[in-house]
Amino acid sequence: NAGVTQTPKFQVLKTGQSMTLQCAQDMNHEYMSWYRQDPGMGLRLIHYSVGAGITDQGEVPNGYNVSRSTTEDFPLRLLSAAPSQTSVYFCAISTGTGRGYTFGSGTRLTVV
Amino acid sequence: QQQVKQSPQSLIVQKGGIPIINCAYENTAFDYFPWYQQFPGKGPALLIAIRPDVSEKKEGRFTISFNKSAKQFSLHIMDSQPGDSATYFCAASRTYSGAGSYQLTFGKGTKLSVIP
Repeated sequence: NAGVTQTPKFQVLKTGQSMTLQCAQDMNHEYMSWYRQDPGMGLRLIHYSVGAGITDQGEVPNGYNVSRSTTEDFPLRLLSAAPSQTSVYFCAISTGTGRGYTFGSGTRLTVV
Repeated sequence: QQQVKQSPQSLIVQKGGIPIINCAYENTAFDYFPWYQQFPGKGPALLIAIRPDVSEKKEGRFTISFNKSAKQFSLHIMDSQPGDSATYFCAASRTYSGAGSYQLTFGKGTKLSVIP
């Protein structure tokens, strides 16, 4: 039981390139979300999903795209990477209201 | 307003000291208040959580104190150890039916250093 698996762990992109950050869970949780963590800014919600086929925007969605075709997977796509997207990205899952989140181990992305 | 304000931003204590991290919220509908602990290079992990029907909750050396009238809650770490050095996040959410009910609002974090 791996919980939440994020790949890759590290990535360097050139400005303008696109890529997909992967998040996979084996806990059958309805809720999946993507956060970015920047120094002094805490955890900021990018996109979230409450089930297959349902996604919505969080606090900082611009430049990112998501889809949820299965319960298990919630990929985050960077359409055209910018240096401002240099950050650590976390996927988090939850069973629902009033329950704690389980976070993945993160993807450290650098855009040069 | 969905904000959760956390202080201090950083904290240094000696081993055995009792660091205290404070959070304040504005939305009176919040009814679930967890704390997360994050070690360098790792994702945040749930440490302890409280609901507003109690004023204090203890789990080992970690205690949450909750003041509903002041809309504040705090984390105390008794007999702190160097291994407690980490970043701590408070958070809040509210219980209601609907897609947004899953969402936690996080504080900006406190970096704790416990020196031997």
